[in-house]
Amino acid sequence: KQEVTQIPAALSVPEGENLVLNCSFTDSAIYNLQWFRQDPGKGLTSLLLIQSSQREQTSGRLNASLDKSSGRSTLYIAASQPGDSATYLCVPNSGYSTLTFGKGTMLLVSP
Amino acid sequence: AAGVIQSPRHLIKEKRETATLKCYPIPRHDTVYWYQQGPGQDPQFLISFYEKMQSDKGSIPDRFSAQQFSDYHSELNMSSLELGDSALYFCASTPDRAAEKLFFGSGTQLSVL
Repeated sequence: KQEVTQIPAALSVPEGENLVLNCSFTDSAIYNLQWFRQDPGKGLTSLLLIQSSQREQTSGRLNASLDKSSGRSTLYIAASQPGDSATYLCVPNSGYSTLTFGKGTMLLVSP
Repeated sequence: AAGVIQSPRHLIKEKRETATLKCYPIPRHDTVYWYQQGPGQDPQFLISFYEKMQSDKGSIPDRFSAQQFSDYHSELNMSSLELGDSALYFCASTPDRAAEKLFFGSGTQLSVL
């Protein structure tokens, strides 16, 4: 059964800092991994999708890397902004009919 | 672009009442997942469907049932509601449960009073 761990659980930084959010998963036989953000009381918004054959994906100020063999993914956020405040979740997709979520990283960026 | 549509967005019910939540996947997506997220909790898998058949079952109470219809929309039926059922319920769809991007709906916030 896939288990997902996200570190840190919470992060509070001033605006402008570069951030690193870490995700580790136990079953490295994945098809892809997605990073999502979730605002309080809202659904999940997809940020980046990395296929298992890829090493990284970039979208704007976001960059996600994937080391499938070691079961790790990292989300880099450059020049953080208050609007980045949310909970960030990584979801490795093993192709099973269930998906496993970690508890996420709660990010607060203060002006 | 079309997204996953969930209705209603908010629902308030009394204990022991019933509720029906609906999920409309993106067109041509044949796989739907349902999740329950309690306050401050990570999402918990309830049930999934592939091509209108139940494909897996998670921590879904016996009081809940779900199905996927011929147009691929799915409904989660909840009976004998309890206070602990208050949560955000969201669904996700994908055109291929193994290899493709997941798209999540905005969720239904259920409050049981």
